[in-house]
Amino acid sequence: AQSVTQLGSHVSVSEGALVLLRCNYSSSVPPYLFWYVQYPNQGLQLLLKYTSAATLVKGINGFEAEFKKSETSFHLTKPSAHMSDAAEYFCAASEGGGNKLTFGTGTQLKVEL
Amino acid sequence: SAVISQKPSRDICQRGTSLTIQCQVDSQVTMMFWYRQQPGQSLTLIATANQGSEATYESGFVIDKFPISRPNLTFSTLTVSNMSPEDSSIYLCSVDKGLDTGELFFGEGSRLTVL
Repeated sequence: AQSVTQLGSHVSVSEGALVLLRCNYSSSVPPYLFWYVQYPNQGLQLLLKYTSAATLVKGINGFEAEFKKSETSFHLTKPSAHMSDAAEYFCAASEGGGNKLTFGTGTQLKVEL
Repeated sequence: SAVISQKPSRDICQRGTSLTIQCQVDSQVTMMFWYRQQPGQSLTLIATANQGSEATYESGFVIDKFPISRPNLTFSTLTVSNMSPEDSSIYLCSVDKGLDTGELFFGEGSRLTVL
């Protein structure tokens, strides 16, 4: 069975600072990995996904994530935070592909002036 | 993409009652998924609803507690039956793009509080 762990339920950064949201997975087969974002009072939307092609994946709004098999990680980064990035971010995995996703517990990102 | 509307967006319910959540999609989709997001926890898949067949429930979820209807390719309902305070959660409807890639579209969720 697979699991997804997000370290840090709350992360606070200054505007313009680096954003780093951590995600580790455990899976018996190569997973597909995803980052979803949920803005206040909205549904989740896909930020980016890894599907066994390039290990560095670029998504919307300047976010990117790197798949590191040796570390079983898929951390999300953005070089410079913007106030509009404040949201909850969910890492998810799909074992071998498919639509049955296992989600992490989410990380609330706060961006301060 | 897909636009998903859920009703109600939030409700406060009494213990022992049942509530039906509706999910409407702006395009035909094969599979619809119902998730639960309990306070401070991750999203958990309740069941997968296919049109024309019974829903497939995940471990720990049963049809008697969470009956699901899927009358057509754009609509589904989830009922939370005989509610208790432990059922207080956000319930989310989602659909895929039909490509089986894990790219899901989500509704805004229905926030239920059971007193």
